[in-house]
Amino acid sequence: DIVMTQSPLSLPVTPGEPASVSCRSSQTLLHSDGYNYLDWYLQKPGQSPQLLIYLGSNRASGVPDRFSGSGSGTDFTLKISRVEVEDVGVYYCMQALQMPLSFGGGTKVEI
Amino acid sequence: EVQLVETGGVLIQPGASLRLSCAASGFSVTNNYMSWVRQAPGEGLQWLSTIYSDRSTYYADSVKGRFTISRDNSKNTLFLQMKSLRAEDTAIYYCARGCADKKCYIEYWGQGTLVTVSS
Repeated sequence: DIVMTQSPLSLPVTPGEPASVSCRSSQTLLHSDGYNYLDWYLQKPGQSPQLLIYLGSNRASGVPDRFSGSGSGTDFTLKISRVEVEDVGVYYCMQALQMPLSFGGGTKVEI
Repeated sequence: EVQLVETGGVLIQPGASLRLSCAASGFSVTNNYMSWVRQAPGEGLQWLSTIYSDRSTYYADSVKGRFTISRDNSKNTLFLQMKSLRAEDTAIYYCARGCADKKCYIEYWGQGTLVTVSS
């Protein structure tokens, strides 16, 4: 099974400043089709999670362009170019390469 | 508009069985990846199970043999049958739908239903 590890556990941020979250997988998530099967989710306080990024770097519908995903193989990064107050919450990465699907432990982003 | 509404969460005793339902609207459960994900109090997300269009099913080791995912196409509803419930199964259970183009397993989430296993 693939183990996902996120860092940091907690990330204090300042509105208007950039921020980034890291995610590492125990096996490569790069498929022979060229895609990295890594997704990012944000769970805002009191809400259900929402998809931000799929296949490593593709923004989901309606996601602001200040969010970007990068990386390949086993190391991935979610970047927020300029943090807004509404971006607080817990960010999770999830590998979608193989079953069982697995989430990282989460990174709590707070102002 | 895609909507997922979970029901069935309750306070239940250890060892008992429970079935969760997820009523879908705005799309067909038949044509999409459908999954269950749970979140224990104060904890992170845990994937539990996914069912494919062809009815292939996949499970986390922690629930394999105890939980069963299924769907009723006529009712456009997803189910999670849970048996031999344990205290560690206490969590919010989310129903989720994958991307329409099959490029992701989980795009849309329901609001969740709380299952509490306690005597």
